[in-house]
Amino acid sequence: GESVGLHLPTLSVQEGDNSIINCAYSNSASDYFIWYKQESGKGPQFIIDIRSNMDKRQGQRVTVLLNKTVKHLSLQIAATQPGDSAVYFCADLGNKLVFGAGTILRVKS
Amino acid sequence: NAGVTQTPKFQVLKTGQSMTLQCAQDMNHNSMYWYRQDPGMGLRLIYYSASEGTTDKGEVPNGYNVSRLNKREFSLRLESAAPSQTSVYFCASTKRAENEAFFGQGTRLTVV
Repeated sequence: GESVGLHLPTLSVQEGDNSIINCAYSNSASDYFIWYKQESGKGPQFIIDIRSNMDKRQGQRVTVLLNKTVKHLSLQIAATQPGDSAVYFCADLGNKLVFGAGTILRVKS
Repeated sequence: NAGVTQTPKFQVLKTGQSMTLQCAQDMNHNSMYWYRQDPGMGLRLIYYSASEGTTDKGEVPNGYNVSRLNKREFSLRLESAAPSQTSVYFCASTKRAENEAFFGQGTRLTVV
């Protein structure tokens, strides 16, 4: 049947602080995950990905951690900037491209 | 390099009207997807097409049909629009299911 949508949680952080955004997934067979950023009025854009044979992957100011035991992903943004304000989604690239519920990140100056 | 192109960008329909949302990608991708995103909420998968000639239901397929016309194009049809279908619709494509997805800019649909 159809799923019921959930309103997105909001994370407010001070400019310059680090942000941690969390995501849970349900399919234990999933082996590839991506974090997307969606700014207002735009489609989602790729930030960083991780495969299940890794626990951690780092990009520019962003780090993704994968805990397969508890089926949990996190996205860490270092020195958060106003331009980081957006909605962040994790996506499970298994058979279907299914997105997590998302988190709104608000950066206070 | 256009990427994923959706048309129209905006549309207003009356309840009961039909319309087709168009999506085309020029990246030679195999898989294409349609999502809806309601205000303040996440993306929900409506239908997807793993390859040319195949389509499958996603999380919220009721009230929609799709056609994978060829490798480039994947259309979404509302046969009898309802106010509950007011949403922003995004099309996406991936080379394979295990690759990064590229998104269109969205179609903002209002059903009155």
